Amino acid sequence: QVQSQQWGAGLLKPSETLSLTCGFSGGSFSAHYWSWIRQVPGGGLEWIGEVNHGGVTNYNPSLKGRATISLDTSEKQFSLKLTSMTAADTALYFCARADCTNAVCPFDSWGQGTLVAVSS
Amino acid sequence: DIQMTQSPSSLSASVGDRVTITCRASQSISAYVNWYQQLPGKAPKVLIYAASTLQSGVPSRFSGSGSGTHFTLTISSLQREDFAMYYCQQTHTIPVTFGGGTKVEIK
Repeated sequence: QVQSQQWGAGLLKPSETLSLTCGFSGGSFSAHYWSWIRQVPGGGLEWIGEVNHGGVTNYNPSLKGRATISLDTSEKQFSLKLTSMTAADTALYFCARADCTNAVCPFDSWGQGTLVAVSS
Repeated sequence: DIQMTQSPSSLSASVGDRVTITCRASQSISAYVNWYQQLPGKAPKVLIYAASTLQSGVPSRFSGSGSGTHFTLTISSLQREDFAMYYCQQTHTIPVTFGGGTKVEIK
């Protein structure tokens, strides 16, 4: 049974950098991609990006290069940094595991979510 | 980016009803579609992956079909615990994208 927990600061000022970390237990870290997704209040889901066991990353171009996702395999954790935060980045941020033992990589395990607000 | 157009955006139904939600992709994505259920204040939960495969532990009243650009999620007999938001997702091409969501409400 895969379990996850995420943590990080929930209140930021404009121009600051968001830093979130997600830890997984109970499953293998290899053969999967590790993603961050956000959801604006009352809105839909936006994929931010992912990292795999080998450190290969992919990002959503909509973030215009502001996102960095990194992996610490020894701690079974992965992290998100999002620079130059604005009010438009206020959202509920989730981490998730994409189970790529299946070709379509469904997101089969999610963190509890961290509400991030950006306000001066 | 591949656009996932989900319809309807909301629907009202009664317990026991059959419900169908549709997702159309802006280009062919084979069967690279997953469906999620999100309860208020919770993270999404995968129901169906690869368009039609039921995730372990998900009730058999949920089913999915489709390939190419047209996909459907069907709930054969709506239960009270099924009133929630539903999202389709494509994982065929980066960036991964989601449909806009369907809110299933109690009539």
